[in-house]
Amino acid sequence: DSGVTQTPKHLITATGQRVTLRCSPRSGDLSVYWYQQSLDQGLQFLIQYYNGEERAKGNILERFSAQQFPDLHSELNLSSLELGDSALYFCASSEGQGRNTIYFGEGSWLTVV
Amino acid sequence: AQSVTQLDSHVSVSEGTPVLLRCNYSSSYSPSLFWYVQHPNKGLQLLLKYTSAATLVKGINGFEAEFKKSETSFHLTKPSAHMSDAAEYFCVVSDDYKLSFGAGTTVTVRA
Repeated sequence: DSGVTQTPKHLITATGQRVTLRCSPRSGDLSVYWYQQSLDQGLQFLIQYYNGEERAKGNILERFSAQQFPDLHSELNLSSLELGDSALYFCASSEGQGRNTIYFGEGSWLTVV
Repeated sequence: AQSVTQLDSHVSVSEGTPVLLRCNYSSSYSPSLFWYVQHPNKGLQLLLKYTSAATLVKGINGFEAEFKKSETSFHLTKPSAHMSDAAEYFCVVSDDYKLSFGAGTTVTVRA
């Protein structure tokens, strides 16, 4: 158990809908990262927050947004969902930035039908 | 700029034989390097981490990796593969601000 908690574990929704994925980082970790993993594109970095502020942005679509709250949990919002958004979404956390070890949650499986 | 290249997308070994997963990196700074393992339908788990304390790093489950600065490599090895080692492995390079993941190597273990 990494200490990173993600909910929900599985989610099935229809195209055009909006979903929110939630992440609770390890106790004491200030950085939260979001990754998308799919069969065709592999592991893709989406976005990173550090202590509530956005610090790095990767291949995140405009339909997607995220935030980190004062209690350090984070949410990833996915809207106007398309079939191609079906993937495993990982949250990870670390104590600081860069060289710190990052710890991954078990992921949220999103299926868009 | 930094990048990671995992030289093999797929490695197949027999149970009890050595495993070698190759990783080359590029970084402008002295990097930190990691290996993660992902079993099917699971999150990524840290195997080991290099942070310049020692060039040979020992990790969990009998894995180890050697940092070779002259070759910009960080290859992962295990002397004797076990069926439970079947998984995907990711090499990661990090400087002070950014993490870069390799594309992954899928390991198959034959009985």
